[in-house]
Amino acid sequence: DVKVTQSSRYLVKRTGEKVFLECVQDMDHENMFWYRQDPGLGLRLIYFSYDVKMKEKGDIPEGYSVSREKKERFSLILESASTNQTSMYLCASSLLGLAGNQGRSFGAGTRLSVL
Amino acid sequence: AQTVTQSQPEMSVQEAETVTLSCTYDTSESNYYLFWYKQPPSRQMILVIRQEAYKQQNATENRFSVNFQKAAKSFSLKISDSQLGDTAMYFCAFMKDNNAGNMLTFGGGTRLMVKP
Repeated sequence: DVKVTQSSRYLVKRTGEKVFLECVQDMDHENMFWYRQDPGLGLRLIYFSYDVKMKEKGDIPEGYSVSREKKERFSLILESASTNQTSMYLCASSLLGLAGNQGRSFGAGTRLSVL
Repeated sequence: AQTVTQSQPEMSVQEAETVTLSCTYDTSESNYYLFWYKQPPSRQMILVIRQEAYKQQNATENRFSVNFQKAAKSFSLKISDSQLGDTAMYFCAFMKDNNAGNMLTFGGGTRLMVKP
């Protein structure tokens, strides 16, 4: 099974801090994703990447940036954290193309609180 | 744009009974994929079942089955013989075919509680 590892389960940061959320996958997946999960809203896509150094905006990219310097690692960056970014953040990965239609693998999530 | 709606924010079921979670979606696509994901209280989301829209036969995975009604754009999940370990958030998701980015659109989720 693919293992997707998020570096932190819980984070508490202050408003204005720069925050890094790290995600690593171990199955050579091309696609990697960052989602935000909020009650009643399901999962909303922030950014995704289909290759090293490639990134595409999702549905809610404002206030976030990403970095993919290596295939296995996809980082989400909050340049200046705000209280409305308090949420659960999920990382996921999948194969590219038709093989990716088999579904994707998720990390355990990082619950971020911005005070 | 696609939308996915799960109209039941919370449900409960007695252990060993059957429960059905509803999901409707809106799309103009003819070929697509539908998924149900389970997120237990430990938070790691896992794939429960997958349906390809061009297949008329409903997908089944052990105690989990779907009722896929393409014309009605409905994709419900039936859990038979519910177990305590089925307690989780369940998300319905849609993916277009010919989608290099494998973009998924998720519903808002249904929290299922299985009671002993």
